[in-house]
Amino acid sequence: AQSVSQHNHHVILSEAASLELGCNYSYGGTVNLFWYVQYPGQHLQLLLKYFSGDPLVKGIKGFEAEFIKSKFSFNLRKPSVQWSDTAEYFCAVNNFNKFYFGSGTKLNVKP
Amino acid sequence: DVKVTQSSRYLVKRTGEKVFLECVQDMDHENMFWYRQDPGLGLRLIYFSYDVKMKEKGDIPEGYSVSREKKERFSLILESASTNQTSMYLCASSLPLSRRDEVRTEAFFGQGTRLTVV
Repeated sequence: AQSVSQHNHHVILSEAASLELGCNYSYGGTVNLFWYVQYPGQHLQLLLKYFSGDPLVKGIKGFEAEFIKSKFSFNLRKPSVQWSDTAEYFCAVNNFNKFYFGSGTKLNVKP
Repeated sequence: DVKVTQSSRYLVKRTGEKVFLECVQDMDHENMFWYRQDPGLGLRLIYFSYDVKMKEKGDIPEGYSVSREKKERFSLILESASTNQTSMYLCASSLPLSRRDEVRTEAFFGQGTRLTVV
């Protein structure tokens, strides 16, 4: 089975700080990559996804992610976080139609 | 907009009970999924269904079964609930990758069912 690693379990930042969350996956073939966000008490929502083409993908709310095939990585970035970005973030890989998720990163943005 | 609806937000059941968690999606998606979400473990796939009456085991199928009699409905069954099945259960649906040219091929999630087994 596919494995997805998120190395940062809990990140605390002040508003306006830059964010980078790491994600690595194990499968070496064609993969489809996603970042989801879960705000407190809400369902998972898609932030962005990569299927093919430009390895730098832009999502909602100013988030972007870069696919680096040689490093099996798909890191999430945001230049300047806001208090409203406080949430849990999940990286996911779709392999043979199944979605595999990382363990999540809790982001706490201090006002 | 896509909607995935789980029948209950909160459930409390006794050890040994048979528990049914229901999920319905309204977008004619072929694929449906059941995950459990636990702190520090992320989402772990319990079962996956790619068509009516078709299913595949995920990473943690032990103690669970599923039923998909209609395309829009996917049920998770705990045959005999145990305390270690206390968790948040998430249902999701998606189009198959064979339809990847369509825009929205990500997984769509329901609100979750928080199950407590006492």
